[in-house]
Amino acid sequence: DTEVTQTPKHLVMGMTNKKSLKCEQHMGHRAMYWYKQKAKKPPELMFVYSYEKLSINESVPSRFSPECPNSSLLNLHLHALQPEDSALYLCASSHLGRVGHETQYFGPGTRLLVL
Amino acid sequence: QQQVKQSPQSLIVQKGGISIINCAYENTAFDYFPWYQQFPGKGPALLIAIRPDVSEKKEGRFTISFNKSAKQFSLHIMDSQPGDSATYFCAASRGSASKIIFGSGTRLSIRP
Repeated sequence: DTEVTQTPKHLVMGMTNKKSLKCEQHMGHRAMYWYKQKAKKPPELMFVYSYEKLSINESVPSRFSPECPNSSLLNLHLHALQPEDSALYLCASSHLGRVGHETQYFGPGTRLLVL
Repeated sequence: QQQVKQSPQSLIVQKGGISIINCAYENTAFDYFPWYQQFPGKGPALLIAIRPDVSEKKEGRFTISFNKSAKQFSLHIMDSQPGDSATYFCAASRGSASKIIFGSGTRLSIRP
């Protein structure tokens, strides 16, 4: 099973709202990722968690707050977003430290619209 | 040096033809080169991947050719089908739990 699930599929929020995106995987992967993808562009890395600890933050604004409560779950908390933050938010996961198993498996994404 | 350059930006191929997408990289430290396929409204899905110690890898109708000395790699889709119409991203990375450097993407359209 190479499935990464994400909820919700779609989200519309105002600039003063607080919302959260959720990601889950049961592949035993110990690395999890958040990406942002704008239309007709490649995904851009936001955060990487390794063994439930934040290992990479690509200088993401503080209005995005990641959380990794356990090895299967990854959340992205959103607060005071701007309209330009509207995008497809993708979660991915991969094995950690296993040569030949670097593949990142992506979820279907959450389509976010900020009004 | 972190870039992966991808061409063409868009490609139209007749059904049954060969689709070819090319990528080039600069950083010789990259050790993993995946290709992802993405349909509209979906997340990217791994299509095929290669390591720099292999010059070619084939999986069904999909083949990666890798030229380490030229720092180039390409995806060939044989007998292209309308269901192959999607956006394709080449990518490169180094090590695990690392940043994937994506190419800019190629929008492939297969005409029936």
